[in-house]
Amino acid sequence: DAGVIQSPRHEVTEMGQEVTLRCKPISGHDYLFWYRQTMMRGLELLIYFNNNVPIDDSGMPEDRFSAKMPNASFSTLKIQPSEPRDSAVYFCASSLMGPNNEKLFFGSGTQLSVL
Amino acid sequence: KNQVEQSPQSLIILEGKNCTLQCNYTVSPFSNLRWYKQDTGRGPVSLTIMTFSENTKSNGRYTATLDADTKQSSLHITASQLSDSASYICVVSSPPKLIWGLGTSLAVNP
Repeated sequence: DAGVIQSPRHEVTEMGQEVTLRCKPISGHDYLFWYRQTMMRGLELLIYFNNNVPIDDSGMPEDRFSAKMPNASFSTLKIQPSEPRDSAVYFCASSLMGPNNEKLFFGSGTQLSVL
Repeated sequence: KNQVEQSPQSLIILEGKNCTLQCNYTVSPFSNLRWYKQDTGRGPVSLTIMTFSENTKSNGRYTATLDADTKQSSLHITASQLSDSASYICVVSSPPKLIWGLGTSLAVNP
């Protein structure tokens, strides 16, 4: 298996633009997670899905952020409009079981820079 | 407040030497504790998972310990290699949440 695949690897955009990050989880994994990582705050859970259904979105910063999982093999995280404070590394992860019972498999991340 | 604190923040050692990284947590309820390794520019990779009843677990040259009474864990790296240079993150499972530490940045120099 190729692991969790994220695209793009790097994204540079201007404030106010829409940004879409993409993720393909490991086949057969029922859980998908979106995390944001910064030096100051470390890894923060934004949202996670179980069987394509959002379970916990309490970490989504504000209405500018939205996430979808239209099928078991694809998810998107969208930021509209983007702001400089959104600059961070965004990780997608997947797991067979729930986050408390199973290790997470992470993608390589998307480095987002909002100018 | 649920917290996971790691020390030191950063560490530099010479290749071949051993080192120990610390993790203290104030988390309730507690389900398990994990250590992840994160190479620069990559996502974290799981090293170990320990439940309440386990006090040590090894993965090659990595050995994690857990003292549930004092709420402390350590990650010991034996005979370090250049490839051990990475960030090591302690994570405590407190259902329904995972509480992440900020990590220890380890540099192994030749």
